[in-house]
Amino acid sequence: SQQGEEDPQALSIQEGENATMNCSYKTSINNLQWYRQNSGRGLVHLILIRSNEREKHSGRLRVTLDTSKKSSSLLITASRAADTASYFCATAMATGGGNKLTFGTGTQLKVEL
Amino acid sequence: GAVVSQHPSRVICKSGTSVKIECRSLDFQATTMFWYRQFPKQSLMLMATSNEGSKATYEQGVEKDKFLINHASLTLSTLTVTSAHPEDSSFYICSVFWTEAFFGQGTRLTVV
Repeated sequence: SQQGEEDPQALSIQEGENATMNCSYKTSINNLQWYRQNSGRGLVHLILIRSNEREKHSGRLRVTLDTSKKSSSLLITASRAADTASYFCATAMATGGGNKLTFGTGTQLKVEL
Repeated sequence: GAVVSQHPSRVICKSGTSVKIECRSLDFQATTMFWYRQFPKQSLMLMATSNEGSKATYEQGVEKDKFLINHASLTLSTLTVTSAHPEDSSFYICSVFWTEAFFGQGTRLTVV
């Protein structure tokens, strides 16, 4: 399977704390993206990091990419209850994949008041 | 950005019947659309790539005769689950790629 692995599978934190999710993948990639999914809903694109980038920020989100380790991390700072959702990483292959995305297994984040 | 509309959002059908799910690209003419399947508390698995005006490309292990894909126009792709069985119950999501991937709201299919 080409599917990536994410850890932790589930994470429960208090509001205001930071949440870190990790993603590992198997193939050479063109870019890696992070998505958010609220229960039973579609996916919302959060951030894209290209294979030649190491770190990227967007608001309270910080993404890192280590292509030598084939891994990425998503950090959500100062979490809010509204951040409760499932988070998925997805990779676009470097060659032959077109715009197909391979999704990681996901992390279920719960932010408690 | 591209807006993708998926219909219906939820459908319950009897075993043995067929169900059609529509995916519309509202802002963007999409020559390619992607269909994913998601089981509860699991990740998205790509089922097939829908190609406008030609046959869909199915991923390994996906039965093309069971999951019929039609992409007759640049704004509409349909996925028909034929002779549905309870094990086909799942969440089906379509997406289009423009500058990034945009996803439909998903369709929750329950086969009873």
